[in-house]
Amino acid sequence: NAGVTQTPKFQVLKTGQSMTLQCAQDMNHNSMYWYRQDPGMGLRLIYYSASEGTTDKGEVPNGYNVSRLNKREFSLRLESAAPSQTSVYFCASREGERGGGYEQYFGPGTRLTVT
Amino acid sequence: AQRVTQPEKLLSVFKGAPVELKCNYSYSGSPELFWYVQYSRQRLQLLLRHISRESIKGFTADLNKGETSFHLKKPFAQEEDSAMYYCALVTGFQKLVFGTGTRLLVSP
Repeated sequence: NAGVTQTPKFQVLKTGQSMTLQCAQDMNHNSMYWYRQDPGMGLRLIYYSASEGTTDKGEVPNGYNVSRLNKREFSLRLESAAPSQTSVYFCASREGERGGGYEQYFGPGTRLTVT
Repeated sequence: AQRVTQPEKLLSVFKGAPVELKCNYSYSGSPELFWYVQYSRQRLQLLLRHISRESIKGFTADLNKGETSFHLKKPFAQEEDSAMYYCALVTGFQKLVFGTGTRLLVSP
């Protein structure tokens, strides 16, 4: 049981290049999330997917697109990378049920640098 | 507005000293709060949730609705507690709002 996995671990892009960050979970969770982590800003939600087939914008969606490929996989795409998108990106998943079990499980992160 | 405030960017203490990491929230409904921890070069993991009122690794956190606070406390800090700590608030059914985090540094 690997939990939440992300690829790649590190990536350097030039301004204007595109790339897709991959995320997969093997916990049969319904909900998946993409965050970015910046110094002094904490974690900010980019996009989320409450269930397979649905996606919604979070706090900072501009410059990103997502695809919920199936229940396991949720990808984040940067169409034209900008230096402001230099960050550490975390994927997370959650079972999706109400009540006390709201824990989100996080992946190891992708460190992206845009030059 | 739904917001989580962690006023301290860095908290530096000596081993064996008490620790209190502050978290204040702004939320109109009944809040559900968590503390997450991120050790060096590791992924975020859940430390505490207010609903379960548990003690994990010696840490406790009590929800104070009057002061809109959920401070994290430990009576005797250990070097292995050094990490980044994030307070998080459930907003709606699906989302968490995180504070900006507090780096705890425990020196020997």
